[in-house]
Parts: sequence; C-alpha cells; structure tokens
Amino acid sequence: DQQVKQNSPSLSVQEGRISILNCDYTNSMFDYFLWYKKYPAEGPTFLISISSIKDKNEDGRFTVFLNKSAKHLSLHIVPSQPGDSAVYFCAARSNFGNEKLTFGTGTRLTIIP
Amino acid sequence: DVKVTQSSRYLVKRTGEKVFLECVQDMDHENMFWYRQDPGLGLRLIYFSYDVKMKEKGDIPEGYSVSREKKERFSLILESASTNQTSMYLCASRYSAWNTEAFFGQGTRLTVV
Repeated sequence: DQQVKQNSPSLSVQEGRISILNCDYTNSMFDYFLWYKKYPAEGPTFLISISSIKDKNEDGRFTVFLNKSAKHLSLHIVPSQPGDSAVYFCAARSNFGNEKLTFGTGTRLTIIP
Repeated sequence: DVKVTQSSRYLVKRTGEKVFLECVQDMDHENMFWYRQDPGLGLRLIYFSYDVKMKEKGDIPEGYSVSREKKERFSLILESASTNQTSMYLCASRYSAWNTEAFFGQGTRLTVV
C-alpha cells in the first residue's frame, strides 16, 4: 500500500525553464512533507519542507506547494540548472503514532543544457 | 554540520552470511532509521528507533534485525543474507520533533552473491 506516490518516474526539462515534480498521498494524518534530492551513489539530501498548516514554502529557486484537499504536493524549481539533475523523493510524516517518514518512489529529473 | 556515517560504501557478501551494517550520527538525534532503495520502489523503511534500546518495525522488516545500544549508533543485521537483499542501504537520523528533517548517510551498496 503506497501511501506516498510519485507517478512520474522521469522528467526532462530544458535548462532555464521550470521543473515541476508532483507527489500524491493517501494518508490524511500526514502533517509534514519534505523533498529530498539524491545523486547516484550518495545519500539523499534535504531540500525543502512544508507543514500541513501552510500551502506554500519558498527557498531560493525551490518552492513547494501543498493542496490538502487534493492530497497533492508539488516542487517547483526555477530556473532549472544542470546540477539539478538527480532523483527527487517526496516524503511525509504522520501526526499519529510513530515518528517514521514515508517516502515516494522518486522522480528522475534530467536538465537538458 | 550533521554527520551520519555508514561504515562501508560497498560490501560483497555470500548467501547465508550474517552481515552487519553500522551507522553513527554525531548530533545527539533521538530517531534513527534504516531504509533500502531499489529501482522503481523508492526508499522503503526497514526499521527505526525512537531512542536508545527502542526499535520498531518498518514496512519491510523480514530478514533483518537492528540494535541500538548507544544513542549515536544504529546497526542493521542481516541474519542470513540472501540475493534478494542486494540493495542500497541508507541510514538516517533526526531530532524527535514533528517538523524536523532526517539526515542521511552516504549509503552502503550491498551485493549478496
């Protein structure tokens, strides 16, 4: 039962344009959402997060949007740069019970120079 | 900077061997996690630990056990390695608060032959 879903396994975007990565979730108890970036043979690194009481959070070129009614979040990267080519994972934390983070399956973003 | 260190980057083990993967963090984090990453499946939680000597099964605990005798160290044990445990293993840690991110180690690529 995949509670966090990233339905696009891959995405290609021209350098300088906007990259939009999407994530859907099913568990209404999730209250905190995170995006991670992963290069091959390295551990994931934290990018940006958003709590369920907000609908937008910005950090430089990265903006995360949360639509609670649709159980959907998205990560916008603008402008996209070659160094953004990586696998992106969204993750969510439940406000009920334990402390675990549930991750999606990832989206491979390729920035075309 | 937070540092999460995994003892090995690459490991090759034989079927049936007992395998220990070690993880150490230097930020006094209460929570520690073991994930595995497989193509198309994202990051799946094997085990996590709230605090010293506390552990809880994740989504795929079968064939694994864990040990947390000291706060900074979280070990993953493969009791009898099998070829389907060939994977990238990722350790993470975080403070025990609802709005904190997890920090990952560099990963251990385990191959069971």
